[in-house]
Amino acid sequence: EVQLVESGGGLVKPGGSLRLSCAASGITVSNVWMTWVRQAPGKGLEWVGRIKSRTDGGTTDYAAPVKGRFTVSRDDSKNMLYLQMNSLKTEDTAVYYCTTVAGKFGNWGQGTLVTVSS
Amino acid sequence: QSVLTQPPSVSGAPGQRVTISCTGSTSSIGAGYDVHWYQQLPGTAPKLLIYANNNRPSGVPARFSGSKSGTSASLAISGLQAEDEADYYCQSYDSSLSGYVFGTGTKVTVL
Repeated sequence: EVQLVESGGGLVKPGGSLRLSCAASGITVSNVWMTWVRQAPGKGLEWVGRIKSRTDGGTTDYAAPVKGRFTVSRDDSKNMLYLQMNSLKTEDTAVYYCTTVAGKFGNWGQGTLVTVSS
Repeated sequence: QSVLTQPPSVSGAPGQRVTISCTGSTSSIGAGYDVHWYQQLPGTAPKLLIYANNNRPSGVPARFSGSKSGTSASLAISGLQAEDEADYYCQSYDSSLSGYVFGTGTKVTVL
């Protein structure tokens, strides 16, 4: 059974940085494509960024609102996925989910809340 | 940046059939990309409900079905049950954005 567990959320001031982690079990993160999806309070789902599997080059892609500020990475030795978030804005306040992706977002974590506020 | 449009809400009595539309464009659904659907129960993470337009993952009841035509897709729930009360999102890929896109979301209410 695939399990994804996010951590690292919290309160941060505008302009600050935060790194989210996603611990995976039941899968090998280097062998699958993985993404981050966020959901602002009371709002819909928004794709944030993706990292391809190692065999597919391990490249990353990002949604326009976060490009240049957020970085998706992984640590294959720890089987972990990360989201480094810099230059945070109030509009980045959301629950952040890590997911596996193969066209569809098949497996989801429970999410971690990031609040950007002064 | 939702580029897939859904009705904000639909409702129906127990046992009825409801449908949720998902309208995209020629660079998303109309370009041939698959449509997937997710169910989000209150306070929980989304769950894959329908994948590749009309396929149900193991464990999803047969009363959920999907279809796709042109630049749109639909989710149908037959024999509506109280436990179906949730938010539903469609999702696809958009080549003009080079990224995944979600629908605006639809809240289903069981009367």
